[in-house]
Amino acid sequence: DAGVIQSPRHEVTEMGQEVTLRCKPISGHNSLFWYRQTMMRGLELLIYFNNNVPIDDSGMPEDRFSAKMPNASFSTLKIQPSEPRDSAVYFCASSLARTGGNKQYFGPGTRLTVT
Amino acid sequence: SQQGEEDPQALSIQEGENATMNCSYKTSINNLQWYRQNSGRGLVHLILIRSNEREKHSGRLRVTLDTSKKSSSLLITASRAADTASYFCATGSDYKLSFGAGTTVTVRA
Repeated sequence: DAGVIQSPRHEVTEMGQEVTLRCKPISGHNSLFWYRQTMMRGLELLIYFNNNVPIDDSGMPEDRFSAKMPNASFSTLKIQPSEPRDSAVYFCASSLARTGGNKQYFGPGTRLTVT
Repeated sequence: SQQGEEDPQALSIQEGENATMNCSYKTSINNLQWYRQNSGRGLVHLILIRSNEREKHSGRLRVTLDTSKKSSSLLITASRAADTASYFCATGSDYKLSFGAGTTVTVRA
C-alpha cells in the first residue's frame, strides 16, 4: 500500500499565480479530506469528499480556493489567484467512512510558499 | 474551529521516562483520536477511543477518556528518541475531525 500520495511536495510561486495541488488517496477509501496547517491557525479542514462528492466545503476560506474529485483516485485543490497568506502546508487525507469513527490516513503534505 | 485543546503545549523528557499529555474538548463526541506528527511529515493515526470506552492500550500507548469531564489523556511509557514529535487529539463525528493545537514532545537522549 503506497499510502496517500501528494504532489508537488514543495511549491514556491509568486502572488497572483495559479497553484494546483494534487492528491491520490488510498485505493478503496471513499472519503477524502483537504487540510491546511499553519503555526497561527493549526490544522484546518478545508473540504471533505465522500464517494467523489463534496459534502462539506465550509472550511474553504474564499472563492479563490476550489477543489475537485473527478474520480475515486484523484483530487485537486486549486488556488487562483494565490496570495502570500495562503502560504502553509496542505495535507490530503483519506479514510474508509463507517459509523463509529474513521481513522484518517494523511499524505506527506505540500509546502506552499507564495511570495 | 479547534475543539480539542492539548495540554501542555510542550514537554521535554529524558529517554526512558513517561510522557503524559491531556486533551480537553467542549461538545459531545462519538470518538476521540490521537495522532502523531513528526517534523516535516503528515499526521499518523495512533489510537481511537470511542465514547463508551474509558481506557485503551496500544503497545507503549495508553489512552483514557472521561466523557463527564470532556477530557482524554495520552500516556507514552518508556519514551524513546523516536517519540519526539507533536501529538494531536482529534474529536468529531463519524467523518469530520477537529484537531487541537498539539503537544510538542522532545525526548532527550
